[in-house]
Amino acid sequence: EAGVAQSPRYKIIEKRQSVAFWCNPISGHATLYWYQQILGQGPKLLIQFQNNGVVDDSQLPKDRFSAERLKGVDSTLKIQPANLEESAVYLCASSLGLVSLIEQYFGPGTRLTVT
Amino acid sequence: GQSLEQPSEVTAVEGAIVQINCTYQTSGFYGLSWYQQHDGGAPTFLSYNGLDGLEETGRFSSFLSRSDSYGYLLLQELQMKDSASYFCAVRDRSGNTGKLIFGQGTTLQVKP
Repeated sequence: EAGVAQSPRYKIIEKRQSVAFWCNPISGHATLYWYQQILGQGPKLLIQFQNNGVVDDSQLPKDRFSAERLKGVDSTLKIQPANLEESAVYLCASSLGLVSLIEQYFGPGTRLTVT
Repeated sequence: GQSLEQPSEVTAVEGAIVQINCTYQTSGFYGLSWYQQHDGGAPTFLSYNGLDGLEETGRFSSFLSRSDSYGYLLLQELQMKDSASYFCAVRDRSGNTGKLIFGQGTTLQVKP
């Protein structure tokens, strides 16, 4: 079974530039998550999708962050524009669904450096 | 809200047993999960406690006591490859989303 795919793996941008990340979850997984993991901290949930609908975006800074999952499969996360404090690893994860949230499967992440 | 506390670092020798504690304050949760993350890698699921008590999976065991707001991960017969960060996480009950809220992580260093 293929795992969660993310691209790019690394991205370096200057502050005030925009950036986008892509995620392809495990086939058949209805729930998709985007996390931000700052160095030395645990992952922090940014947004959670169930199919193509948002179920939780309470910690997403909506003035500059946006995410979509138009066809209920792939997802993109955008930061427009990025600030220095957004240097972090952005992790995508998926799970079968809201009723089976015991295990989430994480992708390798995108390491963003904002200079 | 939810908050979790773990020790920041733990060091142990190969073949030993180590326990990583997790205390939490929560307004309601479904269960306690543990994830392992090697440096530069993705978090991977280790175990889940939905009920109080001990869950065992090979060399790893996890324990939960809701009355004490406390859980732990026990690693036995430590191997060098167990050097990693370990995160406890609660499945939040509020909003019925079951989202995971992670602790800050414990870095385990296994020495020969």
